[in-house]
Amino acid sequence: SAVISQKPSRDICQRGTSLTIQCQVDSQVTMMFWYRQQPGQSLTLIATANQGSEATYESGFVIDKFPISRPNLTFSTLTVSNMSPEDSSIYLCSVDEGGDTEAFFGQGTRLTVV
Amino acid sequence: AQSVTQLDSQVPVFEEAPVELRCNYSSSVSVYLFWYVQYPNQGLQLLLKYLSGSTLVKGINGFEAEFNKSQTSFHLRKPSVHISDTAEYFCAVIAGGSYIPTFGRGTSLIVHP
Repeated sequence: SAVISQKPSRDICQRGTSLTIQCQVDSQVTMMFWYRQQPGQSLTLIATANQGSEATYESGFVIDKFPISRPNLTFSTLTVSNMSPEDSSIYLCSVDEGGDTEAFFGQGTRLTVV
Repeated sequence: AQSVTQLDSQVPVFEEAPVELRCNYSSSVSVYLFWYVQYPNQGLQLLLKYLSGSTLVKGINGFEAEFNKSQTSFHLRKPSVHISDTAEYFCAVIAGGSYIPTFGRGTSLIVHP
């Protein structure tokens, strides 16, 4: 199993600013992911954070808006840039080794943009 | 492509009553199926998973789920719920060759005293 520490747990931000969310895992993992969870919606994958290379973004998400860092096998950050109220959501960090293994999640960052 | 449908967005139930949360999936290849629970202000945690073998899978907190290949379903059940089971429940599927789960929209289970 993996224990994931995600911070901040919540924040209220002004529109036009940026917020960086941190994700720390207690063991080395290959696959790290960032999800967005909007009320009443499924978890939407933003990107896969790759160690030593650029993140792989899903359709509808771009690096300029959601830059991601993955400096090593235990840590990643997601930045939500130039925020607008539409970015208000819960952002979740996850690790998953794929196949028949389960995904492990951080407790999430509840972001409100005003 | 794989997809997951959770038919009920919200399920209210009284304490000690049985409950079933429905999940249907769509995939043309073999699948792994998961149920996760999310308590308020927390991340998701695994309840149970189906990989292969017996179609009835038992998980934590008294939950179980049955894989039905002909109906492409993986419904979650509990014979007697507690107030503490109030949470959001997500069904997820990983289809053969993929490493990223596809999640359903979630079902909010609300247990009333």
